[in-house]
Amino acid sequence: AQRVTQPEKLLSVFKGAPVELKCNYSYSGSPELFWYVQYSRQRLQLLLRHISRESIKGFTADLNKGETSFHLKKPFAQEEDSAMYYCALRETSGSRLTFGEGTQLTVNP
Amino acid sequence: DGGITQSPKYLFRKEGQNVTLSCEQNLNHDAMYWYRQDPGQGLRLIYYSQIVNDFQKGDIAEGYSVSREKKESFPLTVTSAQKNPTAFYLCASSIRTGTYNEQFFGPGTRLTVL
Repeated sequence: AQRVTQPEKLLSVFKGAPVELKCNYSYSGSPELFWYVQYSRQRLQLLLRHISRESIKGFTADLNKGETSFHLKKPFAQEEDSAMYYCALRETSGSRLTFGEGTQLTVNP
Repeated sequence: DGGITQSPKYLFRKEGQNVTLSCEQNLNHDAMYWYRQDPGQGLRLIYYSQIVNDFQKGDIAEGYSVSREKKESFPLTVTSAQKNPTAFYLCASSIRTGTYNEQFFGPGTRLTVL
């Protein structure tokens, strides 16, 4: 069965510092990986997906199949990046997602 | 925000009672999902439905039931058999298949069992 692991429940950085939220997965097939974000008092929403290879709000994430990882990175964190971040995996066929435990990111001024 | 609505926002229930959480969407999505969100455990899938009149168990379906009689609606019943029902419940929807079938989430319902 597929599994997603986010080893850090809490992550705190200062404004302007680089930030990396870790995500590891286990899945026997070829997965699709996503990062979802939940800002305070807002709905959970999609941040980015690996297949698009895009940068959203300065965040990027590269799928590393060798290390089975999909870490989320931003070179210069901003206070408005403070939120709960979830990594998620979708099987090749199907629509259901498997989520990690989440990482609460706090960016301090 | 529109698209997906959940009601009520807060719900209180006595032990031993069943309670139904509402989820409605006007996005014309085929697929709908129910998740439970607990601190430190992320989102866990309870049930999902890819088409009207069909649904599948997720990872933690015990003590829950659903129906999908209409495309727009996917109510979740938390039964008295659910051992630890106090949690935050999220509903989501998506197009059924395809590369870009992003899931859109509702605002959630916080259920407290007294």
